[in-house]
Amino acid sequence: KNEVEQSPQNLTAQEGEFITINCSYSVGISALHWLQQHPGGGIVSLFMLSSGKKKHGRLIATINIQEKHSSLHITASHPRDSAVYICAVRWTGNQFYFGTGTSLTVIP
Amino acid sequence: ETGVTQTPRHLVMGMTNKKSLKCEQHLGHNAMYWYKQSAKKPLELMFVYNFKEQTENNSVPSRFSPECPNSSHLFLHLHTLQPEDSALYLCASSPAGSGQFFGPGTRLTVL
Repeated sequence: KNEVEQSPQNLTAQEGEFITINCSYSVGISALHWLQQHPGGGIVSLFMLSSGKKKHGRLIATINIQEKHSSLHITASHPRDSAVYICAVRWTGNQFYFGTGTSLTVIP
Repeated sequence: ETGVTQTPRHLVMGMTNKKSLKCEQHLGHNAMYWYKQSAKKPLELMFVYNFKEQTENNSVPSRFSPECPNSSHLFLHLHTLQPEDSALYLCASSPAGSGQFFGPGTRLTVL
């Protein structure tokens, strides 16, 4: 069974803290997508990666193909980072399979 | 703003109504998707269209009927829905081999 698991499910942090969200999957993939969903539903693409590491501003995404694991890091977290972070993987074709998300709350 | 628009943003309908959800993108993407998002569950893929042809139908009940008249527009026709169909319905599009761009979603409530 192809599975995508995220941890933790819920995370509360103080403003300024370094945050890590994890995603594990069960079989080899062609790509992994990190998404951000704000209250109200809008989903924004953060990163798509198939190897190594990508950085954009305070966000860093890494992937370890051998360990079937990816992490999303947020440095110097801010209350506006509060959202649900979703990991999605693509095995073949155009379909992505989604994790249940990690709900992040950053407290001022 | 992702370039994918959905209308309406909110919809309340009775179980005997017929309504349609609309999705539009002018990004030149080949693939378009309908997803259902229920509380505390992962996004569920409903339908995939590639170049206007339906390539996936993930065992979706026939009370949901998709239509893709051209590569920029995608509809989801709804009839005789059940209260458990209440959810956020998200449309997405993607170019070949790339990530997905999501619309803002339609929050559907079935009474």
